[in-house]
Amino acid sequence: AQTVTQSQPEMSVQEAETVTLSCTYDTSESDYYLFWYKQPPSRQMILVIRQEAYKQQNATENRFSVNFQKAAKSFSLKISDSQLGDAAMYFCAFTKGRSGGGADGLTFGKGTHLIIQP
Amino acid sequence: NAGVTQTPKFRVLKTGQSMTLLCAQDMNHEYMYWYRQDPGMGLRLIHYSVGEGTTAKGEVPDGYNVSRLKKQNFLLGLESAAPSQTSVYFCASGQGYTEAFFGQGTRLTVV
Repeated sequence: AQTVTQSQPEMSVQEAETVTLSCTYDTSESDYYLFWYKQPPSRQMILVIRQEAYKQQNATENRFSVNFQKAAKSFSLKISDSQLGDAAMYFCAFTKGRSGGGADGLTFGKGTHLIIQP
Repeated sequence: NAGVTQTPKFRVLKTGQSMTLLCAQDMNHEYMYWYRQDPGMGLRLIHYSVGEGTTAKGEVPDGYNVSRLKKQNFLLGLESAAPSQTSVYFCASGQGYTEAFFGQGTRLTVV
């Protein structure tokens, strides 16, 4: 079974600054995907970024980037130039890849509440 | 684009009552999922389906049943609601082996 750990229940950052959210995971799989989802107060789950384990290059999406350390099983999210609209719960998630033999859903961490100070 | 639609969005039940949550997706996805979200717990998988007519148990299946009679619909049933089932329920769909797309969630309160 896979586990995903987010060790920061809450983080706070000044608007326009950079913040990094931590995530570690444990798996015996070699083929997998990792994701960061954002959940604003509206409750909607929004995909922020994804990383395929076989790709060494870190994924980026505009102001969002990840630091994927496969050997250390670490997957942190960096948000640059933080904006008020970035305030939300952020969830790290894992799923096995195709060679893992099943599409049995995402395993989530418990989330990090990100506060943006104006 | 409707994406994934859940019905209803809010519901209050009395202990022992039954209800069904409906999830519909218009993206032709093979895989569909039901999660529950509790404070401080993240999202946990209840049941999932890898195709029409198939279902499987997730991490927290007790007290729930599901059906996938049509590819686009995935139903979650509570036969006898308990206060421990008070939660926010999310349906999701996907192609499998990659990201899932989520509905807006259903807030269920059992009193």
